[in-house]
Parts: sequence; C-alpha cells; structure tokens
Amino acid sequence: LAKTTQPISMDSYEGQEVNITCSHNNIATNDYITWYQQFPSQGPRFIIQGYKTKVTNEVASLFIPADRKSSTLSLPRVSLSDTAVYYCLVGDGAYNTDKLIFGTGTRLQVFP
Amino acid sequence: ETGVTQSPTHLIKTRGQQVTLRCSSQSGHNTVSWYQQALGQGPQFIFQYYREEENGRGNFPPRFSGLQFPNYSSELNVNALELDDSALYLCASRERGGTNYGYTFGSGTRLTVV
Repeated sequence: LAKTTQPISMDSYEGQEVNITCSHNNIATNDYITWYQQFPSQGPRFIIQGYKTKVTNEVASLFIPADRKSSTLSLPRVSLSDTAVYYCLVGDGAYNTDKLIFGTGTRLQVFP
Repeated sequence: ETGVTQSPTHLIKTRGQQVTLRCSSQSGHNTVSWYQQALGQGPQFIFQYYREEENGRGNFPPRFSGLQFPNYSSELNVNALELDDSALYLCASRERGGTNYGYTFGSGTRLTVV
C-alpha cells in the first residue's frame, strides 16, 4: 500500500479556500485516493474519493494530476466547523483486504 | 441509514483484565474493520471481517480477537490488557462490492487501562 505525505498542520481564516496537498509517489495503478475528516473524539468521516483528474461533491474538490503522484483536497470558504484533522489515504478499496492506512494527517485550524 | 454505533462509549479497565467492545454496522454493510487510535496518531488497522470471516489483520498480537455475526454486528475482544492498550477503538463498515468505497466509522469507544 502506498505511503502518503502531507503537512502536519495548516492555519486558515473563515471564508478562505484551503488546499491540502498529499504526496503519494508510489501509488499503484489500482489505487484510489480518499480523504477523511476527523473531529476530536469522533471517528473519521469520508469526504471524497477519486482516481484521476477532478472530483467535486457538496463538501470539497479533489484535484489529481495526470501522474497521480500527488493530490490536493480543496475546501472552499472554510468555517470554524472545518477545524479538524484531514487524512489522505491511497489504496485499492475494491478487492481483498482493503484496510485503510492512516498517517498522522493534517491538522487544520480555522480562525475567525 | 442508522450509521455505525459502538458501545460502550467509555470504559475503564485494570491491567490484565479482558474487555469486549461492540459495534453495529450500518444497514446493508457486510464488511467491518476495527482500528486503534492512540492520542495524536492516526487510526491503526487491527483486523477486518467479511461475511463473518477474518480476512485481514494488522500488526496486533493474538490477544486482540474479533467476531462478526450474521447480522453483521461485530465484537472486538482484548485479553490481558496492557497500559498501552489505552486508546480510542473505532469500528468502520462498508458494503463490499458496492459503488461507494468509503467506510462509515462509528464514534468509537474510549478505553482507559489503569
């Protein structure tokens, strides 16, 4: 399973767009890229998943370049409630043991 | 959707004791995984069950064991508790073969070993 590297922490202000980049140089052909959000004392929450190019849902956008060695989670117009830890994961979620490998994540702090 | 529910929410045990944590998967989900999350760290995979059989295990000793029942609820059992077992234990479920690859996590059980 491919390892991921992401910034330990980021600060932002309400209303700003936040982009969190994740590096996954050893991503395999079958791997998807998935982002989870976690608030204190809660389980991670699935945000978005993609394989290539761009994926957008009601919460975020995920940008994946052609070489797929990195990805960027974009949170538009963050609010205080977006303060959380964000995890980038890569793996084959379709077959056999699809365990999730979490790193230490990116701690996003949003200020008023 | 009822989500994933875990019980109890908090638990205090003494070193050497045994503990059973319970999880009710989201309706329609046939795959359940358990994770251990120490303070300040990301969740670590313990094991996964699919249709009542273990089909994957992380780097955890045999005193960590589990069960999945026909209704897809699940248990995590830990024997001979150690102080380092103090953590948030998370249960996650998904539908294997479904179109949504994302797992649904419960809020966890906070286990404290003293």
